[in-house]
Amino acid sequence: GAVVSQHPSWVICKSGTSVKIECRSLDFQATTMFWYRQFPKQSLMLMATSNEGSKATYEQGVEKDKFLINHASLTLSTLTVTSAHPEDSSFYICSASYGAGLNQPQHFGDGTRLSIL
Amino acid sequence: SQQGEEDPQALSIQEGENATMNCSYKTSINNLQWYRQNSGRGLVHLILIRSNEREKHSGRLRVTLDTSKKSSSLLITASRAADTASYFCATGRIDSGYALNFGKGTSLLVTP
Repeated sequence: GAVVSQHPSWVICKSGTSVKIECRSLDFQATTMFWYRQFPKQSLMLMATSNEGSKATYEQGVEKDKFLINHASLTLSTLTVTSAHPEDSSFYICSASYGAGLNQPQHFGDGTRLSIL
Repeated sequence: SQQGEEDPQALSIQEGENATMNCSYKTSINNLQWYRQNSGRGLVHLILIRSNEREKHSGRLRVTLDTSKKSSSLLITASRAADTASYFCATGRIDSGYALNFGKGTSLLVTP
């Protein structure tokens, strides 16, 4: 149980294109999901916390207008990279916690590799 | 901001040997978690240890936690080639709905 599905797994597109990434909790409801970004051979950096039915909370330095997050249901959060440029190329990973409370592990999607030409 | 720091950054061992990775963190925690990431994939949760626990086991994994030193270790016994991956420690951030702060990770290579 507690499966998180992320789609697509790989995107290659031209500069200026907007790209939408979906994160779904398949067998549980997630009021909160998280979006991380990972550069090659580096750790994960939190971009934003996605809250169902309300605005996302962005980390300092993350452009809200560049990375649009929508969490319209308890099982789906989307990240849209608007007008993507080569510097937005990265590995994007979402996660969700199964169950309430602080001492819960997070379950991760398989990530989306975004390459902007 | 990053909370944990793992060492070593890279570790290469042979099958059958034990692998030990260490993690240090900076602030008070409720729990510390270890995750594994295969190349180009998402993270898989390995083990969670609460702040009032000192040691936890799961199969070939053994995690210790020393809150006085703000450090944790992950021991993988009798390693296998399939254990080759990056391993991250992570601590929860109460200020952002329990998002995780990840360490820099240890890249483990297990050769047959």
